[in-house]
Amino acid sequence: EPEVTQTPSHQVTQMGQEVILRCVPISNHLYFYWYRQILGQKVEFLVSFYNNEISEKSEIFDDQFSVERPDGSNFTLKIRSTKLEDSAMYFCASSEAGGANYGYTFGSGTRLTVV
Amino acid sequence: RKEVEQDPGPFNVPEGATVAFNCTYSNSASQSFFWYRQDCRKEPKLLMSVYSSGNEDGRFTAQLNRASQYISLLIRDSKLSDSATYLCVVVTDKLIFGTGTRLQVFP
Repeated sequence: EPEVTQTPSHQVTQMGQEVILRCVPISNHLYFYWYRQILGQKVEFLVSFYNNEISEKSEIFDDQFSVERPDGSNFTLKIRSTKLEDSAMYFCASSEAGGANYGYTFGSGTRLTVV
Repeated sequence: RKEVEQDPGPFNVPEGATVAFNCTYSNSASQSFFWYRQDCRKEPKLLMSVYSSGNEDGRFTAQLNRASQYISLLIRDSKLSDSATYLCVVVTDKLIFGTGTRLQVFP
């Protein structure tokens, strides 16, 4: 079964440092997403990406965040200057057609701990 | 009103029991509906889509009532392996998650 792959599985970083979370979506999927889940809370939408540009972003996705698809396979989330409250599980997801009919396939997540 | 609202539980049920979860959503323009399952510290995994006519997948039955903006999931003959958090998900132009309902099945 096709998978969405995320690396690293766990990242510890100091406050103020930049982090890059990496994702390899399913190869024939066209829509890409980042979600996050703070421990004990719900899964929250960050950003969607289609046709090499951001299609929608939430209010969480401020100027500290950016996304990129640097080549044909990777999809990255960069946090420029991490804050303690950025500690969360970050999930990448992809879908064939915007998710309305098929839902999304999620990666296993990157646990980001900011200290 | 929250976009997607669920009873957080936990629901503690014995093996073999039938258990039902409910969910309400606020946006009447929502297009699609899903139930996802999330194990502790793992990613959400698609359990099933939810259709207006109701749909069944083995021991799982999902129902949608668009007029009441209400979604349900019924699990029959609960197994220990069903223990997880069940996430109600509504699609507008993106997936919007409820907080989830935790199910614990005991022997």
